[in-house]
Amino acid sequence: QITLKESGPTLVKPTETLTLTCTFSGFSLSSSDVGVGWIRQPPGKALEWLALIYWDDDKRYSPSLKSRLTITKDTSKNQVVLTMTNMDPLDTGTYYCAHSEYSSSSFDSWGQGTLVTVSS
Amino acid sequence: DIQMTQSPSSVSASVGDRVTITCRASQGISRWLAWYQHKPGKAPELLIYAASSLQSGVPSRFSGSGSGTDFALTISSLQPEDFATYFCQQGNSFPYTFGQGTKLEIK
Repeated sequence: QITLKESGPTLVKPTETLTLTCTFSGFSLSSSDVGVGWIRQPPGKALEWLALIYWDDDKRYSPSLKSRLTITKDTSKNQVVLTMTNMDPLDTGTYYCAHSEYSSSSFDSWGQGTLVTVSS
Repeated sequence: DIQMTQSPSSVSASVGDRVTITCRASQGISRWLAWYQHKPGKAPELLIYAASSLQSGVPSRFSGSGSGTDFALTISSLQPEDFATYFCQQGNSFPYTFGQGTKLEIK
């Protein structure tokens, strides 16, 4: 059974850097075809894909946010970390991590999400 | 970026009804289309991948169709637990993009 859980601060100030950790079980990020992505949802709005990292360390980013995002993996800890710099109130929302496979291009297991509020 | 447009944005229906939600891509995406169900406070759930493949454990009343630019999600007989928001997502090319969502409400 695949499980994922997001952790990180619930409140950050404008201009600060957000660091979110996705801790997962039930799969290995060193296995071929496997990836972990980050998706967010501002209040009342649609889902927005942010970044994805694959088993071979291939990294993909949303072009609109690429300059602010970094995604990394720690295979030994079963964790994926997303950092987002220069946070703005518009970045407020629920942040999800999710399991993906390169061959399917979809997200078949998701974490519960973590609400991040950006406010001074 | 590929834009995904869902319709309708909301729909009211009754238990037992058949409901169809559509998703249109701004350019061809072959069959790289997924559908998700999302309930408030819960993790989104994958229903359909590759346009028409039913994810393991998802009831057979859910079905997907389409290819190229036009896709549909059909729920054959609505159950009380189906009232939620549904999103489509294209996986043909990066950046992956989602539709704006369709809220399915009880009539």
